Amino acid sequence: DVKVTQSSRYLVKRTGEKVFLECVQDMDHENMFWYRQDPGLGLRLIYFSYDVKMKEKGDIPEGYSVSREKKERFSLILESASTNQTSMYLCASSLSEATQYFGPGTRLTVL
Amino acid sequence: QKEVEQNSGPLSVPEGAIASLNCTYSDRGSQSFFWYRQYSGKSPELIMFIYSNGDKEDGRFTAQLNKASQYVSLLIRDSQPSDSATYLCAVNIDDYKLSFGAGTTVTVRA
Repeated sequence: DVKVTQSSRYLVKRTGEKVFLECVQDMDHENMFWYRQDPGLGLRLIYFSYDVKMKEKGDIPEGYSVSREKKERFSLILESASTNQTSMYLCASSLSEATQYFGPGTRLTVL
Repeated sequence: QKEVEQNSGPLSVPEGAIASLNCTYSDRGSQSFFWYRQYSGKSPELIMFIYSNGDKEDGRFTAQLNKASQYVSLLIRDSQPSDSATYLCAVNIDDYKLSFGAGTTVTVRA
């Protein structure tokens, strides 16, 4: 079974803090994704990576950056957290076909 | 125009009935179609995928695809209270990325 893990289930941060969200997958998947999910807005792609050190912007990259130094790990960075980044953050991974498998999610609250 | 459209619901069905969920998509080039189930407060989990026109059955779930009509559906037979969740339709938009619908919330009444 594919296993995708995320570093925290719940996180509370203050405005202006730098926030790191970590995602690890154990199935040697090439592709990894970061989404945020908000009520009424569905899943929105922030960034994705199709190989180590490779990344591409998704639909809403503003205020975020990513890092993929190893194949199994994909980090999402909020450079200076703001209240409008309060959300559920979901990491996913996939092989060359499109099927994506999700981690448990991190519910981030920015005060 | 949104790429993937779903009725938001809620769809309420009695226990034992068939729940029918619909999804339309805009990109005629899409080749892969997915249904995910998401319980409240949890992450999406894959139920089924379908690539070819027609029906695909897996237990109580049947996915139906009609590429000419750009339509994909999910039937849940013998609905159980544990099927109460939000169901997300997803369609590939390139080799890597999926576009997700906003989801249909299903409530199964005991």
